[in-house]
Amino acid sequence: DVKVTQSSRYLVKRTGEKVFLECVQDMDHENMFWYRQDPGLGLRLIYFSYDVKMKEKGDIPEGYSVSREKKERFSLILESASTNQTSMYLCASSDREEGNQPQHFGDGTRLSIL
Amino acid sequence: AQKVTQAQTEISVVEKEDVTLDCVYETRDTTYYLFWYKQPPSGELVFLIRRNSFDEQNEISGRYSWNFQKSTSSFNFTITASQVVDSAVYFCALSAISNFGNEKLTFGTGTRLTIIP
Repeated sequence: DVKVTQSSRYLVKRTGEKVFLECVQDMDHENMFWYRQDPGLGLRLIYFSYDVKMKEKGDIPEGYSVSREKKERFSLILESASTNQTSMYLCASSDREEGNQPQHFGDGTRLSIL
Repeated sequence: AQKVTQAQTEISVVEKEDVTLDCVYETRDTTYYLFWYKQPPSGELVFLIRRNSFDEQNEISGRYSWNFQKSTSSFNFTITASQVVDSAVYFCALSAISNFGNEKLTFGTGTRLTIIP
């Protein structure tokens, strides 16, 4: 079974802090994704990556950056956290080789910015 | 642009009742994939089904069934004889078919299903 692990289930930070959310997958997937989930808005794509050192903006990239130095790890960075970034963050991965495969999700990180 | 609409925000049914979750999508692509995911209270999204736009056959898996109708752009999900463990948020999602394996998903806003014992 695919395992996507997010480093924290709950995280509390202060406005202006630099925040790192880490995600690791163990299935050698090329594709990795970061979403945020807010009530009434569903899941919205922040950034995704097709390969090491590759990144593409999703639908709501403002205020975020990402890093993919190794295939198994995809980091989401909040450069200067703000209260409107309080949300549930979900990481996912999928197999690029076979194409159009289901995305596999981590448990999520509930981030609160005070 | 792609869009997925789940008009039912919340549904509550008594255990053992059948329930249908609606999903309507919009896309300009002629070929695409549709997905359903389940998010239990623990938070992790669990993949339930993937359906290619070429395949309009309905699918049944145990108590779950899916009705795909291209003519109405709908991909509805029915749970038969619901159980308390079915309580979760359910998401419908859409992706364009890509030759590069780098397709993105567009999610609906989800339907929160509560099964009352």
